[in-house]
Amino acid sequence: EADIYQTPRYLVIGTGKKITLECSQTMGHDKMYWYQQDPGMELHLIHYSYGVNSTEKGDLSSESTVSRIRTEHFPLTLESARPSHTSQYLCASSAQVGEKLFFGSGTQLSVL
Amino acid sequence: AQKITQTQPGMFVQEKEAVTLDCTYDTSDQSYGLFWYKQPSSGEMIFLIYQGSYDEQNATEGRYSLNFQKARKSANLVISASQLGDSAMYFCAMREEDIGYSTLTFGKGTMLLVSP
Repeated sequence: EADIYQTPRYLVIGTGKKITLECSQTMGHDKMYWYQQDPGMELHLIHYSYGVNSTEKGDLSSESTVSRIRTEHFPLTLESARPSHTSQYLCASSAQVGEKLFFGSGTQLSVL
Repeated sequence: AQKITQTQPGMFVQEKEAVTLDCTYDTSDQSYGLFWYKQPSSGEMIFLIYQGSYDEQNATEGRYSLNFQKARKSANLVISASQLGDSAMYFCAMREEDIGYSTLTFGKGTMLLVSP
């Protein structure tokens, strides 16, 4: 069973608000990822990290930012949320690059 | 071009029957990995099965097996003896080595509905 946690599970906010989606894992994984998924669609990588103080953008452009100050924590921040940011955000981790991903339960974000 | 193609948007199967979910992939790598994940309506992604490109035998995990045909670049998921709890979205994904980072590229998914 995966030990990776995302909060909040659901979030409804107004346009212009700053939000942070939390992601934590207790498996000691160095590799962590954020995926964005629209309803009924595939997952797109928006950010990844290979360790503390390492963050990179994925193949889908995103206005969000991430930080990796501690191995277990990989939060995603939107400085000014817009309706176009409405989506599901899935956090994942892996022990090694290319190995199977362990996913959190996701955060369903709705921006009004 | 799509790296992972899942041509079946939706599939229906009766309980206790077997079902095959199709997945084709496109890569020029010699070394790659193929994964299947299940996503129930609750939203989490659950790992089901993995096949490495050099594995000679098809992967199996309980009721799940992967029909790997390397020459055809297909990696179909076979679920035997379907259960009502198998109703979910199923995603095929691929790991490649030649991109700057190595994570998984996902297909668009197939929605499986299991009826009593």
